[in-house]
Amino acid sequence: EAEVAQSPRYKITEKSQAVAFWCDPISGHATLYWYRQILGQGPELLVQFQDESVVDDSQLPKDRFSAERLKGVDSTLKIQPAELGDSAMYLCAILAGDTGELFFGEGSRLTVL
Amino acid sequence: AQSVTQLGSHVSVSEGALVLLRCNYSSSVPPYLFWYVQYPNQGLQLLLKYTSAATLVKGINGFEAEFKKSETSFHLTKPSAHMSDAAEYFCAVSPGGYNKLIFGAGTRLAVHP
Repeated sequence: EAEVAQSPRYKITEKSQAVAFWCDPISGHATLYWYRQILGQGPELLVQFQDESVVDDSQLPKDRFSAERLKGVDSTLKIQPAELGDSAMYLCAILAGDTGELFFGEGSRLTVL
Repeated sequence: AQSVTQLGSHVSVSEGALVLLRCNYSSSVPPYLFWYVQYPNQGLQLLLKYTSAATLVKGINGFEAEFKKSETSFHLTKPSAHMSDAAEYFCAVSPGGYNKLIFGAGTRLAVHP
């Protein structure tokens, strides 16, 4: 069973539409991250949660992006309205506290037309 | 500020040849360093990590990396490339312990017969 499940795997939308991504990790991991990976680049941190609280959202474009983790387990990332430059892979990851390893989901690839 | 520079966005080797992927970091505090591998349309998988213990770190799939503080480097090597090693490789730094990762831009490794 995967540590982190993400959905949808692929999403195509038109600009100005709203999109949402879900991250469902195996429970018991307090720290959760959303990263954005533009094609040909490394992942960039968007937001970090500790349980249900945001601890770092300094790189999150807050005028259009929002993220929540209401019960401290699964999380959603929303974009409204989507722009062409938002086309990217959105990766969710959890921190295994005992080893320091980040376990990544397979990602949600967004294409904005 | 912390950062990671990966020299060479594309590296091509013959099957059986040495693999060398270069990574230099910048960190104002003792860093933890990581190498992750990403196969097409998948999330990232940890290859190995340095956490201030042994400077030569062995990882999965025959990869290893050496932390050189004087050179601020953490290059990834494998003595003999296999076709299945073809993927994108990311170096990452976590300043001051297990926390959010800052990734390099990645190096795409191609292995040809």
